[in-house]
Amino acid sequence: DGGITQSPKYLFRKEGQNVTLSCEQNLNHDAMYWYRQDPGQGLRLIYYSQIVNDFQKGDIAEGYSVSREKKESFPLTVTSAQKNPTAFYLCASSMLGDEQYFGPGTRLTVT
Amino acid sequence: AQSVTQLGSHVSVSEGALVLLRCNYSSSVPPYLFWYVQYPNQGLQLLLKYTTGATLVKGINGFEAEFKKSETSFHLTKPSAHMSDAAEYFCAVSGNTNAGKSTFGDGTTLTVKP
Repeated sequence: DGGITQSPKYLFRKEGQNVTLSCEQNLNHDAMYWYRQDPGQGLRLIYYSQIVNDFQKGDIAEGYSVSREKKESFPLTVTSAQKNPTAFYLCASSMLGDEQYFGPGTRLTVT
Repeated sequence: AQSVTQLGSHVSVSEGALVLLRCNYSSSVPPYLFWYVQYPNQGLQLLLKYTTGATLVKGINGFEAEFKKSETSFHLTKPSAHMSDAAEYFCAVSGNTNAGKSTFGDGTTLTVKP
């Protein structure tokens, strides 16, 4: 089955540690995205990529980093520079301009 | 430039009543418009989309939306609410020249009362 996967579902880290969230898709989509969602708030775009080896900052990129070495994969690293990293993180993919397919999300808790 | 405004962050209806969730957009190019649904602790799922052609779009779970260019609106409706419709709903716009990046509204939480 084609789809987009994120792992793990729940992630716990200590403050000051970097953590990498996984996102994989087998839909052959060119574009991939990372969003952050906080309680009662909508989606905020962190980074997006339209093509392999290229990516752009979204609205809240500070404290995050990404890579796009393969079309299928778009991992997100939450660095220790991110002031408030506890949130629900969603990955998505799409053909350019078309609907986005979302993964199930990773809930990150940093204490 | 593109933007989306969802009127009403919370909407409450009785089971069996009409559901109406409002969405207005702005776009400098002909828009593609989408409605997504999100259940707690899950990702978003596409309900329906408008790209070109027929302005009344039917989606899954009995939802539909009408693209009204003159009003720059894309409101989501369902004739009769079910308890299972309780969720958060997001409207989104993309311009097919904007590298596929959609802009999402802030979301509307739908509550269905028995």
